[in-house]
Amino acid sequence: AQKVTQAQTEISVVEKEDVTLDCVYETRDTTYYLFWYKQPPSGELVFLIRRNSFDEQNEISGRYSWNFQKSTSSFNFTITASQVVDSAVYFCALSDGPGAGSYQLTFGKGTKLSVIP
Amino acid sequence: DARVTQTPRHKVTEMGQEVTMRCQPILGHNTVFWYRQTMMQGLELLAYFRNRAPLDDSGMPKDRFSAEMPDATLATLKIQPSEPRDSAVYFCASGLVGGYSNQPQHFGDGTRLSIL
Repeated sequence: AQKVTQAQTEISVVEKEDVTLDCVYETRDTTYYLFWYKQPPSGELVFLIRRNSFDEQNEISGRYSWNFQKSTSSFNFTITASQVVDSAVYFCALSDGPGAGSYQLTFGKGTKLSVIP
Repeated sequence: DARVTQTPRHKVTEMGQEVTMRCQPILGHNTVFWYRQTMMQGLELLAYFRNRAPLDDSGMPKDRFSAEMPDATLATLKIQPSEPRDSAVYFCASGLVGGYSNQPQHFGDGTRLSIL
């Protein structure tokens, strides 16, 4: 069975601080995908990133960066110089990988990030 | 940008009434998922379709929930009869899956359902 754990339920930071959201996963699949989604107060789920288990290269997109470490089964998300607009609930998710079949997502419980002006 | 469209955005109804939620997936996507979000359970999969065929509905209460995909542009989720415990946000997502190439799931804005 797949499992995603986001141990941080809520985080508050002051604007311009850096913040890291933790994600630890469990799977028996040899190939899998990892995701991050953002849910702002308006409620929609916004896709941020997908990583293939083959590729442990870290990724940076603007103020966002992701650190994938297979050895510790972690896929952490860092926001640099946080802004008020980053306030949202962030979900880490896991699906089976290429060719495996379902691609259904198993979500963590989410981390609520509040960025204080 | 292509989007998944869900209707209605909000629904308030009384216990026992039938509820129908609709989803228009992104054109060209062959897989449609229904998820439910509650405070207690978080986001959980209810059912999904590939090329309009239902592949897994094990997450749904079978006695009252049904999911269908009458054509490639429409997926529906029905609850009959509805109960207060069905109050939640229901998300539809679509993605493109094909062998070793696929695209990530993109979500609709959700239907916020309240059963009184």
